[in-house]
Amino acid sequence: AQKITQTQPGMFVQEKEAVTLDCTYDTSDQSYGLFWYKQPSSGEMIFLIYQGSYDEQNATEGRYSLNFQKARKSANLVISASQLGDSAMYFCAMRDGSGNTDKLIFGTGTRLQVFP
Amino acid sequence: DVKVTQSSRYLVKRTGEKVFLECVQDMDHENMFWYRQDPGLGLRLIYFSYDVKMKEKGDIPEGYSVSREKKERFSLILESASTNQTSMYLCASSLLGGKVYEQYFGPGTRLTVT
Repeated sequence: AQKITQTQPGMFVQEKEAVTLDCTYDTSDQSYGLFWYKQPSSGEMIFLIYQGSYDEQNATEGRYSLNFQKARKSANLVISASQLGDSAMYFCAMRDGSGNTDKLIFGTGTRLQVFP
Repeated sequence: DVKVTQSSRYLVKRTGEKVFLECVQDMDHENMFWYRQDPGLGLRLIYFSYDVKMKEKGDIPEGYSVSREKKERFSLILESASTNQTSMYLCASSLLGGKVYEQYFGPGTRLTVT
């Protein structure tokens, strides 16, 4: 069965420092996609970054980058130069590649707190 | 910008009531999803739909049903609300058939069943 694991319930980082949020996944599919979402206290899920299983380069979007290590089945999110507004819940998710559906499987999330 | 709206941000219902949660998206997306979010459990898929009148069960469909009569609208129904259905409910939509397509989420409905 496909599964996403986020082992860090909470993380702290000082403003302007970089932080890595861990995500490991389990799948037997060759083709899959990995996503990171941010959920501020307002509740809305915000898409941050996507990595396809066949993408040779790690995805980057502004201050966000995805450290994709296929052999280790890990897809860690790196946030550079943290800002106070980065304080939120972060979820890693994987596209279910078992059929023709577009379902996402989510991890349990990591709460990031950025302090001055 | 894609906009996904949900009918209520906060809702309080009594045990046994029938509850309707409405979700509307304005970007002509084929896929629509209902999740519930509980602390420590992440998001769990209740039901999804990839076309009008089509629906498929997710991981936790028990106690819920859905309706999709129009492409832009996807309703979640709690036939007889129970206290263990107190949760945050999130609706999402996406384009069909592309692994790269992200899901767009609504603001969520925090439902309390007393």
